[in-house]
Amino acid sequence: AQKITQTQPGMFVQEKEAVTLDCTYDTSDPSYGLFWYKQPSSGEMIFLIYQGSYDQQNATEGRYSLNFQKARKSANLVISASQLGDSAMYFCAMREPLIKAAGNKLTFGGGTRVLVKP
Amino acid sequence: EPEVTQTPSHQVTQMGQEVILRCVPISNHLYFYWYRQILGQKVEFLVSFYNNEISEKSEIFDDQFSVERPDGSNFTLKIRSTKLEDSAMYFCASSETRERVTGELFFGEGSRLTVL
Repeated sequence: AQKITQTQPGMFVQEKEAVTLDCTYDTSDPSYGLFWYKQPSSGEMIFLIYQGSYDQQNATEGRYSLNFQKARKSANLVISASQLGDSAMYFCAMREPLIKAAGNKLTFGGGTRVLVKP
Repeated sequence: EPEVTQTPSHQVTQMGQEVILRCVPISNHLYFYWYRQILGQKVEFLVSFYNNEISEKSEIFDDQFSVERPDGSNFTLKIRSTKLEDSAMYFCASSETRERVTGELFFGEGSRLTVL
């Protein structure tokens, strides 16, 4: 079974509009972490935002926010005021369990390609 | 800002040849990782390394793969006898101590391996 599912293979968004990228996950561990990474065409992986399973509030980082719905096991990324430079591949990833002994192995979803139109 | 650096950025090799991909993790980080991404597919975990030994590896990381931290700064991935299906982008990553449970991985820019 897929641990991380990103159902949108690709999407267009108009510059200056907001876009929501879907991510659902599957885990039986109560302690886990969810990450979003951006991969531009140059190939590097850029960390965007993190949400811990015990965090009370949804994470925000500048124009990025994470809509964390624990009961639904979803962690959607919202990018507000899209810019042309936001065009990239976006990956959702999970770390489980979130305990000290486990290191930082991440399981990635299949990614969503975002193209921002001027 | 400290960063993870990888060399080479692109390597083309013949099937059956040995390849070594090099990485310099962020200097105060203690965990090191290799991930790979076959073109158009998801990023897959290969191996994690801590305290001079492998802490976890995936089923992809078979006997053809090895990792080493030869001198306290470099972290290498060796593929002994490359196969066509080893063609991929290989990412090195590092993270801080276990105590920082947010566990953000810092990735390098990747090394693209093409096996002919």
